[in-house]
Amino acid sequence: DAGITQSPRHKVTETGTPVTLRCHQTENHRYMYWYRQDPGHGLRLIHYSYGVKDTDKGEVSDGYSVSRSKTEDFLLTLESATSSQTSVYFCATRDLNTGELFFGEGSRLTVL
Amino acid sequence: GDSVTQMEGPVTLSEEACLTINCTYTATGYPSLFWYVQYPGEGLQLLLKATKADDKGSNKGFEATYRKETTSFHLEKGSVQVSDSAVYFCALSSNTGNQFYFGTGTSLTVIP
Repeated sequence: DAGITQSPRHKVTETGTPVTLRCHQTENHRYMYWYRQDPGHGLRLIHYSYGVKDTDKGEVSDGYSVSRSKTEDFLLTLESATSSQTSVYFCATRDLNTGELFFGEGSRLTVL
Repeated sequence: GDSVTQMEGPVTLSEEACLTINCTYTATGYPSLFWYVQYPGEGLQLLLKATKADDKGSNKGFEATYRKETTSFHLEKGSVQVSDSAVYFCALSSNTGNQFYFGTGTSLTVIP
């Protein structure tokens, strides 16, 4: 399994505060992704990265930004958290040889 | 655009019953197709995949066949176990390979 760690695993914050979620991988995969998982919506792509400093938007990118300064780290930032951003966030990396996505264990964010 | 539609849940089955979870897709070109499984409190993990038409993916007694003529990739298992209780996601990897598209997930509960 790809070594993917997400931090923090759980966070409670208040509306209007900034939040940064971190994803760290040890597999040297070029592609990394941030998804959110909500009941009735499955997994929705927020942003993805195809290399250091190369990122692109997904289907639900409003209110989120990302950065990738190193291959192993992909940061997701909520500049001013809102209650609609309460969700479980998953980071994933992609093995281009097999096409498979590998997922982290998720970060549960609650915005009060 | 590319998309995946999968059977709504939740599904409840008795142990040793047969399982089918329907999945259909819309895509241009020749996508790869996947089934992912999510156990409670965990991230998603690959269950099986198929990369071209008529391929059959199989793992842990689960099977799915890539049917281009019906644009389907239904998940089947002949005899489910309590340990199969989880959420199952059908997914598609686009022709360009940059993005994955997930269905909304189907929750399966197997009762003894």
